[in-house]
Amino acid sequence: SAVISQKPSRDICQRGTSLTIQCQVDSQVTMMFWYRQQPGQSLTLIATANQGSEATYESGFVIDKFPISRPNLTFSTLTVSNMSPEDSSIYLCSVEVGGWPNVQFFGPGTRLTVL
Amino acid sequence: GENVEQHPSTLSVQEGDSAVIKCTYSDSASNYFPWYKQELGKGPQLIIDIRSNVGEKKDQRIAVTLNKTAKHFSLHITETQPEDSAVYFCAAKGAGSYQLTFGKGTKLSVIP
Repeated sequence: SAVISQKPSRDICQRGTSLTIQCQVDSQVTMMFWYRQQPGQSLTLIATANQGSEATYESGFVIDKFPISRPNLTFSTLTVSNMSPEDSSIYLCSVEVGGWPNVQFFGPGTRLTVL
Repeated sequence: GENVEQHPSTLSVQEGDSAVIKCTYSDSASNYFPWYKQELGKGPQLIIDIRSNVGEKKDQRIAVTLNKTAKHFSLHITETQPEDSAVYFCAAKGAGSYQLTFGKGTKLSVIP
């Protein structure tokens, strides 16, 4: 398994500002993922972040809105840029560990409210 | 792409009874099926998973069954307890894919 921490755990932000969310894992992992979970909804993959390469974004998500950094094998950040109330969600970091099939473990999430 | 349907969306059971949540998937090449439990204010927690070469897996009070022919899999919780109350998500992963496709979730309430 993996122990994953996220900062901040929650935040309330003003429209038009940006927030950077940090994800730290206790072991080196190749693949890290960022998900969005809108209130009462399921999980939607935003992007996959591999160390040393550009993040791969899913349909409907763009780098200008959700820039991601992956400076090493234990850390990643997701920035939510130029926020609007529609960005109010839980943002979750996950990592893949193990052999086949790789198992995904999730962090505790960052609860974002945009006013 | 893969599509995962999950039913029911809400489920209430009396403490001590069993709960069953069902999921169907569309991609016959999917080969990995995890279940996650999400308590209020927390991230999803992996509770059990099953690979496509196995028909059933059990871990204490929880079990998962897989029917590859029908493309469905189910979570069974026996002797439910109030602490089982949470939202449960099923997911599927295709062969050669890193991406999990999630169902919409089932809110389970265990009534003391």
